[in-house]
Amino acid sequence: GAGVSQSPSNKVTEKGKDVELRCDPISGHTALYWYRQRLGQGLEFLIYFQGNSAPDKSGLPSDRFSAERTGESVSTLTIQRTQQEDSAVYLCASSLGLGFLNTQYFGPGTRLTVL
Amino acid sequence: GDSVTQMEGPVTLSEEAFLTINCTYTATGYPSLFWYVQYPGEGLQLLLKATKADDKGSNKGFEATYRKETTSFHLEKGSVQVSDSAVYFCALSAPGEGAQKLVFGQGTRLTINP
Repeated sequence: GAGVSQSPSNKVTEKGKDVELRCDPISGHTALYWYRQRLGQGLEFLIYFQGNSAPDKSGLPSDRFSAERTGESVSTLTIQRTQQEDSAVYLCASSLGLGFLNTQYFGPGTRLTVL
Repeated sequence: GDSVTQMEGPVTLSEEAFLTINCTYTATGYPSLFWYVQYPGEGLQLLLKATKADDKGSNKGFEATYRKETTSFHLEKGSVQVSDSAVYFCALSAPGEGAQKLVFGQGTRLTINP
């Protein structure tokens, strides 16, 4: 079946603008995750969803970041008033369920460049 | 907190050489351990995993053994190919409060020359 998809693949924006990143998980996967990968660094966990609930938002870098999910489907990550330090690849992953025994499958990412 | 430490890259080898990429971890309890690979221009893919001590994960000629006593999960391949050139990430998922996320190492860039 289809894997995790993300859109857009690339986004260039000006500092101060809002951006919205989209993730479509694998069908049937109840858990969804967002990560950020800055240039030359490892992946930084941002937030996870179980269904449409995000119990822990503490990984979000600032209150300019928000995320939502519709049912057990599409999720959007919104960054308001973008800053240059927000430039990164934003990766989405999904898994059948929560917990450390469930494998996370990643999408291709959205490369965000803030000028 | 939970953490993963990988050997720093970049690593450059000749084709058919033996590969080891070291990975050690710090975690509470018995985490699941993963190696992910990111080929040029592609997304992150699961390469292999192990969910309990002494388990060996393997895929595409790569192997890694979960060593609880040394808290390690080193990636090995006996004979690398040019197509193995990629960035490799070691990661863990720990039971308890940390179970909802993967903790990644910094990644190791591997280049294989023909």
